[in-house]
Amino acid sequence: AQSVAQPEDQVNVAEGNPLTVKCTYSVSGNPYLFWYVQYPNRGLQFLLKYITGDNLVKGSYGFEAEFNKSQTSFHLKKPSALVSDSALYFCAVRGWMDSSYKLIFGSGTRLLVRP
Amino acid sequence: GAVVSQHPSWVICKSGTSVKIECRSLDFQATTMFWYRQFPKQSLMLMATSNEGSKATYEQGVEKDKFLINHASLTLSTLTVTSAHPEDSSFYICSARDRRTVKGTGELFFGEGSRLTVL
Repeated sequence: AQSVAQPEDQVNVAEGNPLTVKCTYSVSGNPYLFWYVQYPNRGLQFLLKYITGDNLVKGSYGFEAEFNKSQTSFHLKKPSALVSDSALYFCAVRGWMDSSYKLIFGSGTRLLVRP
Repeated sequence: GAVVSQHPSWVICKSGTSVKIECRSLDFQATTMFWYRQFPKQSLMLMATSNEGSKATYEQGVEKDKFLINHASLTLSTLTVTSAHPEDSSFYICSARDRRTVKGTGELFFGEGSRLTVL
């Protein structure tokens, strides 16, 4: 069965500091991995994805994520956090053999960037 | 970019009435749309997969007769909550897959969500 784990309910960082939001996954075969961000009472916005190729993926708003196959991880990172980055972040996975196109979401991590 | 419009954003209804939520892909065709439910401070729970021109596929535990899904065109899917009760109050979010994306590699595009409150 496919699953995604986001071990931290909340991550607190100071503005200007680097941030990391953790994600590990379990899937049969190769994974397709995604990060989304959700602001209060809003839908999800796509940040970035890993399909194949370079393990370091760059996305929107200065975010990046590193795919680590041996650790089955796909942590989201940003070199310098902004207060406006404060939101709820979701990691999601889809198995490459899954023809249903369903995304399996993690439980979400709330990022709080303090001024 | 790909835009998914969801309407209404907010709806309040009386217990026992039915509510319809629309999900439209504005600048792309979506053969597949997904409906999610999100409880406060929780993740998204997939309710059903909606395929254009065919019956929706519901996840285990989701009542088909309660949550009616119709995907009549490549740009529109609707979710109707029938005979709504207070426990149906939730945030409902739709997402769509661009039919042009290579199998499985495309990200989903999400609507802004619909907050349903049943009194």
